[in-house]
Amino acid sequence: QSVLTQPPSVSGAPGQRVTISCTGSSSNIGAGYDVHWYQQLPGTAPKLLIYNDNNRPSGVPARFSGSRSGTSVSLAISGLQPEDEADYFCQSFDDSLSGIYVFGTGTKVTVL
Amino acid sequence: QVQLQESGPDLLRPSDTLSLTCTVSGGFISTHYWSWIRQPPGKGLEWIGNIFHTGTTNYNPSLTSRVTMSVDTSRNQFSLRLTSATAADTAVYFCAKMPARWEYWFDPWGQGTLVIVSS
Repeated sequence: QSVLTQPPSVSGAPGQRVTISCTGSSSNIGAGYDVHWYQQLPGTAPKLLIYNDNNRPSGVPARFSGSRSGTSVSLAISGLQPEDEADYFCQSFDDSLSGIYVFGTGTKVTVL
Repeated sequence: QVQLQESGPDLLRPSDTLSLTCTVSGGFISTHYWSWIRQPPGKGLEWIGNIFHTGTTNYNPSLTSRVTMSVDTSRNQFSLRLTSATAADTAVYFCAKMPARWEYWFDPWGQGTLVIVSS
């Protein structure tokens, strides 16, 4: 039931910068609702990485950053590290129907 | 800090009722919103619903006819019931904290529990 679209996969060598896009519509991202990002390492629960588009919780490395442009938002990982290999999901609010919290389709980041 | 732990049966038959409990430690359940989220094996995340400590609930419309959430503030627990389970309900079920109605990120999450629906 994902209404936010992400690329299935992105890859990069250690030290490189990669970006993950998250595209929505006028009932979610396009309506201005905040977007949050999660990192899910294999076999573990998702972990909050970015909240309210571009805020990092305490303990999240500064190489993770979020940005917004119109109906699309992005997560950037600068200085890619081997431990960054994981699945990444965006999340927002959708005001269609009675209002629901929606997730992106997920992106697998591979460190080459 | 707040920690969450899911518990409940891991194998159900089709048409059974899925019942899970999330125990909150390191904080009081009488603040914030509390959520259930699921993830079918190898797939993405789906929000199931929220509950506030007062018992106010908000469910995903795709599941609302089968979902009931409840809260027990004396035990610092909240629960999920999903009736008429089918194979499509096979998933890892996570509980999570949502800070407020309009601070709708999920943090932290429980470790998750895999529930399999199979005959």
